[in-house]
Amino acid sequence: EVQLLESGGGLVQRGGSLRLSCAASGFIFSSYAMSWVRQAPGKGLEWVSSISTTGGSTYYADSVKGRFTISRDNSKNTLYLQMNSLRADDTAVYYCAKSSSRGSGTGGYFDYWGQGTLVTVSS
Amino acid sequence: DIQMTQSPSSLSASVGDRVTITCRASQSISSYLNWYQQKPGKAPKLLIYAASSLQSGVPSRFSGSGSATDFTLTISSLQPEDFATYYCQQSYNTPITFGQGTRLEIK
Repeated sequence: EVQLLESGGGLVQRGGSLRLSCAASGFIFSSYAMSWVRQAPGKGLEWVSSISTTGGSTYYADSVKGRFTISRDNSKNTLYLQMNSLRADDTAVYYCAKSSSRGSGTGGYFDYWGQGTLVTVSS
Repeated sequence: DIQMTQSPSSLSASVGDRVTITCRASQSISSYLNWYQQKPGKAPKLLIYAASSLQSGVPSRFSGSGSATDFTLTISSLQPEDFATYYCQQSYNTPITFGQGTRLEIK
């Protein structure tokens, strides 16, 4: 059974940093691209970032480019999102999602999702 | 960026109704269109991928169609557990974009 378990969310001050983790199990983690998707309170889904199987290719939404860094450790079956210079509009539930893509990190759909971790940025 | 526009934004329907939700892309995305269902407080769930392929385990009352810029999600006979918010998403290129969502409510 595929499982994605996010952790690392919490309350942080504006301008602060946080690192999210997503522990994966039930599939060959190193064979699939992974992504982060967020959802602000009462709002829709927003793609944040994606990473290829090897970590060699990364992609970011303009809203987080230069502030967030996606990475993965295939030896630990774990996906990360380092979030710096946090702003109030980064407040959201952050979901880790497995892509169907076995390569570059694009072109696939999100076939499994974690339960999400809440990040709250206070001003 | 490719903009995804869903209609309607909200919809009231009854159990047993046939419901159609539309998603339009601002440019051609071939068949790189996926549909998700989200219930309150829960993670999204994949229903349809590549415009018309049913994800494993999803009931056959859900179906998808379309290509290029115009797509539809159809629920043939609404069940009580189908009342949720539905999102379309394009995976044609980055940035990956979602529609704004369609909230399906009980009439």
